[in-house]
Amino acid sequence: EVQLVESGGDRVQPGGSLRLACAVSGFTFSDYWMHWVRQDPGKGLVWVARINNDGSSSSYADSVKGRFTISRDNAENILYLQMNSLRVEDTAVYYCVRASDNWGQGTLVTVSS
Amino acid sequence: DIQMTQSPSSLSASLGDRVIISCRTSQTVTTNLHWYQQKPGKAPKLLIYRASTLPNGVPSRFSGSGSGTDFTLTISSLQPEDFATYYCHQSHSLPLTFGGGTKVDLK
Repeated sequence: EVQLVESGGDRVQPGGSLRLACAVSGFTFSDYWMHWVRQDPGKGLVWVARINNDGSSSSYADSVKGRFTISRDNAENILYLQMNSLRVEDTAVYYCVRASDNWGQGTLVTVSS
Repeated sequence: DIQMTQSPSSLSASLGDRVIISCRTSQTVTTNLHWYQQKPGKAPKLLIYRASTLPNGVPSRFSGSGSGTDFTLTISSLQPEDFATYYCHQSHSLPLTFGGGTKVDLK
């Protein structure tokens, strides 16, 4: 069974940092591109970042470019999102997503003073 | 960026109704269009991929059609567990984008 389990969400002050992790199982992690997608409370879905299967290439939404970094450890089957210079508008549930098919349960990031 | 226009944004329907949700993209996505169902407090669940293919385990009352820029999701006979919000999503080009959602509730 495919499983994606996010962790690392927390409440942080504006300007702070967090690192999210997504532990995967049930499939060959290194075969898939992975994404982070976020959802503002009560609102729609917004793509954040993607990384190719071997970690050599990544892309970002304009709203997070230069502040967030997506990475992966194919030996440990973990996807990461390093979030720096956090803003109030980054408050959301963050999901890791395999290609476009399987989603984790999400982890809540709250940026507030 | 590819803009996604989903309609309606909400609808009220009765059990057994046929429900149709539309999604239009601002430029062609060929068939790289997917549909998700989301219930409150839960992650989105894939319903249809590549415009018309049902993943294993998705009931056959769900169907998808379209290509290029115009797509539809049809629920042939609405069941109690189908009350949820539905999103379309294109994976044709970055940035990936999503429709604004269609909330289906009980009339």
